[in-house]
Amino acid sequence: DQQVKQNSPSLSVQEGRISILNCDYTNSMFDYFLWYKKYPAEGPTFLISISSIKDKNEDGRFTVFLNKSAKHLSLHIVPSQPGDSAVYFCAARVTQGGSEKLVFGKGTKLTVNP
Amino acid sequence: DAGVTQSPTHLIKTRGQHVTLRCSPISGHKSVSWYQQVLGQGPQFIFQYYEKEERGRGNFPDRFSARQFPNYSSELNVNALLLGDSALYLCASSLTGISYNEQFFGPGTRLTVL
Repeated sequence: DQQVKQNSPSLSVQEGRISILNCDYTNSMFDYFLWYKKYPAEGPTFLISISSIKDKNEDGRFTVFLNKSAKHLSLHIVPSQPGDSAVYFCAARVTQGGSEKLVFGKGTKLTVNP
Repeated sequence: DAGVTQSPTHLIKTRGQHVTLRCSPISGHKSVSWYQQVLGQGPQFIFQYYEKEERGRGNFPDRFSARQFPNYSSELNVNALLLGDSALYLCASSLTGISYNEQFFGPGTRLTVL
């Protein structure tokens, strides 16, 4: 049962344009959502996060939008740069009875073409 | 300041063997989490430890165990290895384990089971 879904395995955009990466979730208990970026041979790097009580969070070129009613979040990168080419993972946190865990999607490989 | 370090980098084992993976968190970080990333999938949560106590456990069999030492480093042990245990094993550290946006990942240990 995949609780966090990234339905697009890959995305290709031109440098300078907007990249939009999407993520859907099924568990209403998720209270925090995060995006990670991963380059080959490296561990994931935290990018941006959003609490379930908010609908938008912005950090420089990166903005995350959360639509709780649709159980959908998206990451916008504007403008896209070739260095943004990486695999992007959507993750969600659930806390239960003092324990907590992160659930990751399968990832979307973003390619930004010069 | 050193980031999260993991050893070994690569490991080849045969079915039925036992393996121990090691992780050293960022200095001052008291929480360590372990993830398994199978090719083509997102990281899957295995364990979280905070102040040497288990704070969270994912859906993994009892062949998987972990512990955290007084210096906050951690070991992940896997017994009776199966072919399906072949994966990248990621360790992540954070200050308290509560805010996942402060979680920093190591480069991982690539385990191959033959």
